[in-house]
Amino acid sequence: EAQVTQNPRYLITVTGKKLTVTCSQNMNHEYMSWYRQDPGLGLRQIYYSMNVEVTDKGDVPEGYKVSRKEKRNFPLILESPSPNQTSLYFCASSRTPGSYGYTFGSGTRLTVV
Amino acid sequence: DAKTTQPNSMESNEEEPVHLPCNHSTISGTDYIHWYRQLPSQGPEYVIHGLTSNVNNRMASLAIAEDRKSSTLILHRATLRDAAVYYCILRDLDAGGTSYGKLTFGQGTILTVHP
Repeated sequence: EAQVTQNPRYLITVTGKKLTVTCSQNMNHEYMSWYRQDPGLGLRQIYYSMNVEVTDKGDVPEGYKVSRKEKRNFPLILESPSPNQTSLYFCASSRTPGSYGYTFGSGTRLTVV
Repeated sequence: DAKTTQPNSMESNEEEPVHLPCNHSTISGTDYIHWYRQLPSQGPEYVIHGLTSNVNNRMASLAIAEDRKSSTLILHRATLRDAAVYYCILRDLDAGGTSYGKLTFGQGTILTVHP
């Protein structure tokens, strides 16, 4: 089944403890992206990647890192999480930006205390 | 980035057609019109997209105005499972632009379907 898989689905952590949210897609998509969703603010793009070893900042990149060493994986790294990073996170992938839609993962609900 | 405007909410009865409007008066020639929906506690789901011509798929139809400044997502027979937030988004395919490929979500339209 074609899908984007995120792990974990739920995570509670403490301020300052480094964490990684994994994202993997099995569709050989070049384009991958991370979004966060907050009440009243909607979905906002954090980082995106056009292809392996090519990443760029979205609208809200502060406090996050990403890497794209393989086409299928695009992990989101929080080096020193803070409570304002408590949010619902979505990973998405797409074929090379053409007239194609995105496939989204099921989301990771992160709570930083 | 070109912006879209949608009504905050709409209501429909089950098995009736639903027309969800979207205005995008600043659309550029390289923008595709995408629609996504998000069910409660789930990630956004791709519905349909188009450039200039009307489009149909198994989920919905997309009607695009001739001047491309507006579009309408049509659900032919609403079901309770169609209750969701519907997002109309412009996807920039200008490879030289800073928003290449990006999806910028607005607030969307909350669709309520009554039995």
